[in-house]
Amino acid sequence: DTEVTQTPKHLVMGMTNKKSLKCEQHMGHRAMYWYKQKAKKPPELMFVYSYEKLSINESVPSRFSPECPNSSLLNLHLHALQPEDSALYLCASSQESGGAYETQYFGPGTRLLVL
Amino acid sequence: AQSVAQPEDQVNVAEGNPLTVKCTYSVSGNPYLFWYVQYPNRGLQFLLKYITGDNLVKGSYGFEAEFNKSQTSFHLKKPSALVSDSALYFCAVRVHSGTYKYIFGTGTRLKVLA
Repeated sequence: DTEVTQTPKHLVMGMTNKKSLKCEQHMGHRAMYWYKQKAKKPPELMFVYSYEKLSINESVPSRFSPECPNSSLLNLHLHALQPEDSALYLCASSQESGGAYETQYFGPGTRLLVL
Repeated sequence: AQSVAQPEDQVNVAEGNPLTVKCTYSVSGNPYLFWYVQYPNRGLQFLLKYITGDNLVKGSYGFEAEFNKSQTSFHLKKPSALVSDSALYFCAVRVHSGTYKYIFGTGTRLKVLA
């Protein structure tokens, strides 16, 4: 089973709202990732968690706050977003983040619209 | 700088014809190369990867890719295209920058015409 699930599928929020994106995997992977993808562009890495600890933050604005409650779950908390933050947010996981040739498995994404 | 290039924004091919989606790379050290496919409003699906060994890598859905070290290329191929292959294809290289992460190409939209 190589499934990564994400909820919700779609989210519309105002600039003053607080919302959260959720990601779950049951493959026993110890690395989890958040990406942001604009239309017709490649995914941009935002955060990497390795063994439930944040290992990479690609200079993401503080209005995005990741959380890894356990090895299967990854959240992305959103607060005071801007319209330009509207995008597809992808979660991915891999066995570990330290492997050179590990495959990342992606979830279907959450389509976020900020009004 | 380490990078991946997909020189074609779009590739059109007739159904039943062979298809090629091009990817070139520039990395220091051994390249670890991946192909992903993305259907509309979906996440990325893993197709195949090259780590070492045989230069011809076989993957999902009848796709294969040929690693060419002298030309620093990793082109994706399929002998006979299907309309359902129409999607966005990303080449990626895994590089080490503090930890390992992907560098993605800009993507190539494949359109298979019936």
